[in-house]
Amino acid sequence: AQTVTQSQPEMSVQEAETVTLSCTYDTSENNYYLFWYKQPPSRQMILVIRQEAYKQQNATENRFSVNFQKAAKSFSLKISDSQLGDTAMYFCAFMKGLNRDDKIIFGKGTRLHILP
Amino acid sequence: NAGVTQTPKFQVLKTGQSMTLQCAQDMNHEYMSWYRQDPGMGLRLIHYSVGAGITDQGEVPNGYNVSRSTTEDFPLRLLSAAPSQTSVYFCASRYSGRTYEQYFGPGTRLTVT
Repeated sequence: AQTVTQSQPEMSVQEAETVTLSCTYDTSENNYYLFWYKQPPSRQMILVIRQEAYKQQNATENRFSVNFQKAAKSFSLKISDSQLGDTAMYFCAFMKGLNRDDKIIFGKGTRLHILP
Repeated sequence: NAGVTQTPKFQVLKTGQSMTLQCAQDMNHEYMSWYRQDPGMGLRLIHYSVGAGITDQGEVPNGYNVSRSTTEDFPLRLLSAAPSQTSVYFCASRYSGRTYEQYFGPGTRLTVT
C-alpha cells in the first residue's frame, strides 16, 4: 500500500523568505502522480502543483516549485517570496494512476505560518 | 457550474442520532469520494464510487454508509453517530480514467456530543 509522510507538523517563516516543505512517499509503482494541496483557513482544498512521475523536470507554478527525487521517493515543495496569504495547511498527496478506481492518498499535513 | 456542493456546512448531533451528509456535483464526474479530516491525521478516505450503482470502501469506512443512485449525488449516512465521528467531512469528485484533477466541496463540520 502506498503511504505519504510529511515530517514537519508545523513551520513558521517570515514574510518574503523562502520555505521548503518536505514529503516522502512509499510505492512500488513506476508511474504515478504527486500533488501539493493548500488548505487556507476557509477550509477549501486548493491544488497548488502536480508532478507526473514520468517527467524528470520539476514542476513550477509561479512562486511554487517542487524538488522531485524519484529514486529517493521525495517530493518537497518550495515557496519563494512567501506571502501572508500563503498561511495555510499544506498536504502532500499521491495517486497511483488515472484508472477509474485509483484513489488520492494524503499525508498528515504541514501547518505553515507566514509571519509579518 | 456550481462544482461540488455539500450540505449542511455545520451540524451538531447527539450520540446515537442518525443523519445524512449530502454531496452533489454538476460536472458529470464518474468518481466521487468522501474524506474525513482530523487534526494531525490529514484526509482519510471513507468511501468512494466510480459510477452510479458502484461503491467501495476506503481506509476508514466503519460507521458510514453510502449509495450512488445517480451520477450527481453521493450521500454519506451516519446510522448511529459516535463522538469519534466528530470531524470535518469533504466530498470530492473527478473524471475517472482521464484526469488527475479532483474537485473538493467546501466541507461539513460535524460535532457529535
